[in-house]
Amino acid sequence: KAGVTQTPRYLIKTRGQQVTLSCSPISGHRSVSWYQQTPGQGLQFLFEYFSETQRNKGNFPGRFSGRQFSNSRSEMNVSTLELGDSALYLCASSPLSSDTQYFGPGTRLTVL
Amino acid sequence: KNQVEQSPQSLIILEGKNCTLQCNYTVSPFSNLRWYKQDTGRGPVSLTIMTFSENTKSNGRYTATLDADTKQSSLHITASQLSDSASYICVVRPIAGGTSYGKLTFGQGTILTVHP
Repeated sequence: KAGVTQTPRYLIKTRGQQVTLSCSPISGHRSVSWYQQTPGQGLQFLFEYFSETQRNKGNFPGRFSGRQFSNSRSEMNVSTLELGDSALYLCASSPLSSDTQYFGPGTRLTVL
Repeated sequence: KNQVEQSPQSLIILEGKNCTLQCNYTVSPFSNLRWYKQDTGRGPVSLTIMTFSENTKSNGRYTATLDADTKQSSLHITASQLSDSASYICVVRPIAGGTSYGKLTFGQGTILTVHP
């Protein structure tokens, strides 16, 4: 089975712009989670989706939003980008049979 | 407030030695506790996942233990290898709102460096 894929892998934006990141889970997985990782903050939880419903949400401002489609693919959007949004954004999927998460390679976002 | 605290923050050991990483948590009740390994620049990889009723779980040279009474977990690495150099993250899944899928709570991680 193919692993979790994330696109794009690298992205450079300027302040004030918006960005959409995409995540394709492992085939058959219906749970998708998103994380932000910065050197000083470690892994910070953003959202968790299951069957198109948001199951949990982290403590991020409303500029961060996400959704999951009927094929379990997920997107997250960040509007009005700030310099502090520069980070590695990770997506993970989980199968129905367990809570084990499988992470993608991440999208490296740089905000100038 | 649910918290997960890991110690030490960083650790340096020689190749072939054993080491133990600690995780103290206040999350209660919880559904499961997991340990991840994250190599620099890559996504985390799940090492072990234990339910609240399990005491130990092994994955090759990695053995995780869980003491629900003291709210402590440890990750023991046997016969360390250079490839074990990574960040190790402890994560707890609370039970919340009547479901087993509360918001995951992450520790800050322990950075392990294995020297030849």
